[in-house]
Amino acid sequence: AQSVTQPDIHITVSEGASLELRCNYSYGATPYLFWYVQSPGQGLQLLLKYFSGDTLVQGIKGFEAEFKRSQSSFNLRKPSVHWSDAAEYFCAVGARRSNDYKLSFGAGTTVTVRA
Amino acid sequence: AAGVIQSPRHLIKEKRETATLKCYPIPRHDTVYWYQQGPGQDPQFLISFYEKMQSDKGSIPDRFSAQQFSDYHSELNMSSLELGDSALYFCASSRFTSGTYNEQFFGPGTRLTVL
Repeated sequence: AQSVTQPDIHITVSEGASLELRCNYSYGATPYLFWYVQSPGQGLQLLLKYFSGDTLVQGIKGFEAEFKRSQSSFNLRKPSVHWSDAAEYFCAVGARRSNDYKLSFGAGTTVTVRA
Repeated sequence: AAGVIQSPRHLIKEKRETATLKCYPIPRHDTVYWYQQGPGQDPQFLISFYEKMQSDKGSIPDRFSAQQFSDYHSELNMSSLELGDSALYFCASSRFTSGTYNEQFFGPGTRLTVL
């Protein structure tokens, strides 16, 4: 079964500074990879996804992520954070198996943005 | 664009009571997934349905049951509620397409509080 590790439980970053959130996965092949954002009390919003092809994917809100097969990683980055980026971020993986589309989520990283 | 609808958005129940959560998928989506997110935890897959049949099962307690109806909406029935059932319950929907990943679209969630 696939699994996801997000090593950083909490990150504090200054507004305007860059942000990188780490995600490592465990799976026998290249899984489908996702980043979701969740604001307090809200649902899950998809930021970006990787299925195949270009390993650098662009998402919404100025986020991007890079898939590195050799490191089993899919780290999320943003060059300049805004106060509205304060939220919890989840990395998720989906298996490359037919009839198995459930997502496995990491524990999440809480991002705090200071002025 | 139409999104996944969940009702109710908030629900408060007493221990040992029952609760029913409803999920209305995006039009023309035929697959529904249920996830449970406990306080400070990552979402955990519970169960999924495709064309009204259970397609996958995760860590769903025996006290819970679910089904998908002919109009593709789904209901999660929870009996003998326990304090530990307090969580945010997400529903996601997708449209089955053979040979590719069926992306899930998440609803806003139902927050269940058991007192």
